[in-house]
Amino acid sequence: QKEVEQNSGPLSVPEGAIASLNCTYSDRVSQSFFWYRQYSGKSPELIMSIYSNGDKEDGRFTAQLNKASQYVSLLIRDSQPSDSATYLCAGGFSGGYNKLIFGAGTRLAVHP
Amino acid sequence: GAVVSQHPSRVICKSGTSVKIECRSLDFQATTMFWYRQFPKQSLMLMATSNEGSKATYEQGVEKDKFLINHASLTLSTLTVTSAHPEDSSFYICSASGPQNTEAFFGQGTRLTVV
Repeated sequence: QKEVEQNSGPLSVPEGAIASLNCTYSDRVSQSFFWYRQYSGKSPELIMSIYSNGDKEDGRFTAQLNKASQYVSLLIRDSQPSDSATYLCAGGFSGGYNKLIFGAGTRLAVHP
Repeated sequence: GAVVSQHPSRVICKSGTSVKIECRSLDFQATTMFWYRQFPKQSLMLMATSNEGSKATYEQGVEKDKFLINHASLTLSTLTVTSAHPEDSSFYICSASGPQNTEAFFGQGTRLTVV
């Protein structure tokens, strides 16, 4: 099993819909999780961090963490064409220092 | 979020030469910096982790003599690609985190083209 797994997509949603991005992780990943957005040719930009079970909301974004299932997700409400990007899930390495392990990313396409 | 500045954003060099990329944390002390490489349509691949004042820890398969990393201060880390070859052409990205949290903030990235 990969340490952080994501479906590569593309995930295609219509404008205004909810986009749901999912990520699973292995035991090598610790309790801190992050979602980054990466536009083509640009470096990743931090969107959300989540450390405890449950939901965390920030504007149109909601991160959900389920430690028992080793699952973290990102919901984007009222999707806009400008949300079209690759979304990277990352988890903190449980080896004792603050290294992040990234998933391969899910490409999201929001069409008008 | 915190600001991490990476320079240059784009560089073209001849095969066999060396290229230095700088990564600076502008408004926080970066106790740890990470260097990644990303090939087109692929995810970030961690190359090495550097802690201020100590030698970098390289990931498996990354040649430490080819990719020299220096993290001499709490605000600056450099990556030098030595004797660059066309297969080293890639997008190199640094990230930095401070002592109190695990969030990592990314620099703008450097597009390296070796001709």
